[in-house]
Amino acid sequence: GQNIDQPTEMTATEGAIVQINCTYQTSGFNGLFWYQQHAGEAPTFLSYNVLDGLEEKGRFSSFLSRSKGYSYLLLKELQMKDSASYLCAVKDSNYQLIWGAGTKLIIKP
Amino acid sequence: GAVVSQHPSRVICKSGTSVKIECRSLDFQATTMFWYRQFPKQSLMLMATSNEGSKATYEQGVEKDKFLINHASLTLSTLTVTSAHPEDSSFYICSANIGDTEAFFGQGTRLTVV
Repeated sequence: GQNIDQPTEMTATEGAIVQINCTYQTSGFNGLFWYQQHAGEAPTFLSYNVLDGLEEKGRFSSFLSRSKGYSYLLLKELQMKDSASYLCAVKDSNYQLIWGAGTKLIIKP
Repeated sequence: GAVVSQHPSRVICKSGTSVKIECRSLDFQATTMFWYRQFPKQSLMLMATSNEGSKATYEQGVEKDKFLINHASLTLSTLTVTSAHPEDSSFYICSANIGDTEAFFGQGTRLTVV
């Protein structure tokens, strides 16, 4: 079956760095996405990786290793507004998005 | 960037009635839109893929007669929850893609059936 694993919850301190990991087993691979979702709102796009390596976008970076079925989202200089759920999703061979359960990130002052 | 608008954002309806949720792509044409359902503290669950000009493709376990999807134009897809029951209360989200990259989400609709 298809599976996306990410930690349920993480806690970090304002101003620090946090890494959220995601491992996947899917039938085929056509890209990995990270989304941010605040409570009661729809997800918003953060990053897209289809090739191995690191993609940097401001305070957020995303890394992909296709051979390991592994990705991480790195958040730097954490702000209180970064408290949210972070969803990892993979497009499989049918270009269908397979979603992880999300990681709830709690930022403390 | 591309914008997807979903309406209404919140709706409360009586058990047994029907509710229609609209999803519009505002600045691009979407031949395919997706409808998700999300329970509290859980991930998105794909309900169906809405195809413009043809019948929607429903995921296993989703009742097509209960969740009616119409994609009559390249910019509008609707989801109608028919004969709603309290267990249908949930957060419904639509999305549309541009090419193979990111999905753009509507704002979501919080449905409460009383």
